[in-house]
Amino acid sequence: AQSVTQLDSHVSVSEGTPVLLRCNYSSSYSPSLFWYVQHPNKGLQLLLKYTSAATLVKGINGFEAEFKKSETSFHLTKPSAHMSDAAEYFCVVMGGGSQGNLIFGKGTKLSVKP
Amino acid sequence: DTAVSQTPKYLVTQMGNDKSIKCEQNLGHDTMYWYKQDSKKFLKIMFSYNNKELIINETVPNRFSPKSPDKAHLNLHINSLELGDSAVYFCASSGSGGTGELFFGEGSRLTVL
Repeated sequence: AQSVTQLDSHVSVSEGTPVLLRCNYSSSYSPSLFWYVQHPNKGLQLLLKYTSAATLVKGINGFEAEFKKSETSFHLTKPSAHMSDAAEYFCVVMGGGSQGNLIFGKGTKLSVKP
Repeated sequence: DTAVSQTPKYLVTQMGNDKSIKCEQNLGHDTMYWYKQDSKKFLKIMFSYNNKELIINETVPNRFSPKSPDKAHLNLHINSLELGDSAVYFCASSGSGGTGELFFGEGSRLTVL
């Protein structure tokens, strides 16, 4: 069965410093992995996705993630945090069956200090 | 011009009542979903419909009944509401191709007293 584990429930960074949100996955086959972002009182928005093409995936708003099979990781990074990046971030793996059967991690809340 | 819209955004009701949440998408997508987000922000799929046909029906109580009058609408009806039903319910849609990209509504926060 597919699953994801987000290693930090809360990450706090200063504006202008790098962001690292960690995610490990477990999958019995080559996974499709995603990062979604949820701003306060809003729906979720896709940041980026990995579907077995390039291992370094670029997303919106300057975020990127690297798929590392040897480490079963899919960490999300950004070189320089902005105040508007403060949100909840979800690492997601596609489950079996329907394309919409997304299995969500428990989320990492990113706080950005001025 | 909202792509996926849900109504109502907030719903406060008493235990035992019946309530509905409506969802509409104007993206021309074939597949729509309901997800539940609990108080700890954990998200789990409840239902998935493709062209008005039920595809995914996770283990949810029979009190929850989705209805899809057409492929642009997926409503969620909940009977005999319980305290544990309090959550944020998200509607989502996706196009064909199996990319896994879902477009979410802004959520409907249900509070059962």
